[in-house]
Amino acid sequence: AQKVTQAQTEISVVEKEDVTLDCVYETRDTTYYLFWYKQPPSGELVFLIRRNSFDEQNEISGRYSWNFQKSTSSFNFTITASQVVDSAVYFCALIRTQGGSEKLVFGKGTKLTVNP
Amino acid sequence: SQTIHQWPATLVQPVGSPLSLECTVEGTSNPNLYWYRQAAGRGLQLLFYSVGIGQISSEVPQNLSASRPQDRQFILSSKKLLLSDSGFYLCAFESSSYEQYFGPGTRLTVT
Repeated sequence: AQKVTQAQTEISVVEKEDVTLDCVYETRDTTYYLFWYKQPPSGELVFLIRRNSFDEQNEISGRYSWNFQKSTSSFNFTITASQVVDSAVYFCALIRTQGGSEKLVFGKGTKLTVNP
Repeated sequence: SQTIHQWPATLVQPVGSPLSLECTVEGTSNPNLYWYRQAAGRGLQLLFYSVGIGQISSEVPQNLSASRPQDRQFILSSKKLLLSDSGFYLCAFESSSYEQYFGPGTRLTVT
């Protein structure tokens, strides 16, 4: 069975602090994809990143970085020098494939609050 | 570019009333389409997905149904709403690279 665990329910930081959101996944597949989405207060889910299981290179995009480690089944997300606009719920997700359709399995999300 | 629309944005309906939420996609052909529900303070639950016109798969048996009358149109319906149907409903389409892109959502309150 596929499962995504985001153990941190809520995190609160002060602006300019670095923060890491944890994501641990379970899958028996050798080929899979991992994702991070951001859900600001407006509600719409915003795609942040996709990573396939064969690419363990870390990725950096501006203040965002992702650390993928297959050995620990983790795909953690770090925000450097956090800003108030980073306040949102962040979801980690895993794709499982069945019947020709890719289905996202989401974690329960981590609510990040960045205080000024 | 690909865009996804949902309406209405908010809806307040009494228990027992019908429901119809619409989702349309632009800029892509024959996309895989998805309906998710997010209950207050909880994660996302996949309700239905569709790989083509008239092809609907249900993930969770409940008081809802879905239809895809046109290639880029996905409709979520109910004949009689329950209080437990309240939530935030999100439609999504899948790009060619397995990424799912979400619409703005519909916030449904059943009273």
